[in-house]
Amino acid sequence: DQQVKQNSPSLSVQEGRISILNCDYTNSMFDYFLWYKKYPAEGPTFLISISSIKDKNEDGRFTVFLNKSAKHLSLHIVPSQPGDSAVYFCAASEGYGGATNKLIFGTGTLLAVQP
Amino acid sequence: DAGITQSPRHKVTETGTPVTLRCHQTENHRYMYWYRQDPGHGLRLIHYSYGVKDTDKGEVSDGYSVSRSKTEDFLLTLESATSSQTSVYFCAISRDHSNQPQHFGDGTRLSIL
Repeated sequence: DQQVKQNSPSLSVQEGRISILNCDYTNSMFDYFLWYKKYPAEGPTFLISISSIKDKNEDGRFTVFLNKSAKHLSLHIVPSQPGDSAVYFCAASEGYGGATNKLIFGTGTLLAVQP
Repeated sequence: DAGITQSPRHKVTETGTPVTLRCHQTENHRYMYWYRQDPGHGLRLIHYSYGVKDTDKGEVSDGYSVSRSKTEDFLLTLESATSSQTSVYFCAISRDHSNQPQHFGDGTRLSIL
């Protein structure tokens, strides 16, 4: 039973345009959400996170939006650059300040930014 | 970049042999994790450690054991490898539990024939 779902296996956008990656979750106890980027043959790299007390967090070109009522979060990349081409994983955990910080990952979305 | 080193980076072995993967960190972080990544599954937690000699099971722990005798090293052992354990294994560390992101090593690609 997939608690974190990324329903789009791939996404293609033009350089300079906005990339929107989506993630849905089923566990209402999740209260901390993260996005990771992964290049081939490398480990995932942390991009941005958001806690459930917020609905938006911004870091440069990356913005994460959280809609708790819909159990949905999205990552916006503006403007998209060819170097953003990678697999993006959404992850979630429960227990803000809890003891284990165990992450549940989605299956990933492959973003291709076309020059 | 977080100081995390995984070894070996690649390994091919036969069914039934024991295999040990090593994760070494230079950040003095308390928490360490082992994940496996498989197509269609994302990353799944195998075991984690919250301190020296303190470990617990994750989502897919069957067939795996771990040990942490020093803060900097977290070992993952497959006592008798099976073909279903062919995967890419990632180690991660985090500073503490209060919503700090986990930082990952570059992975070990393990093939069991």
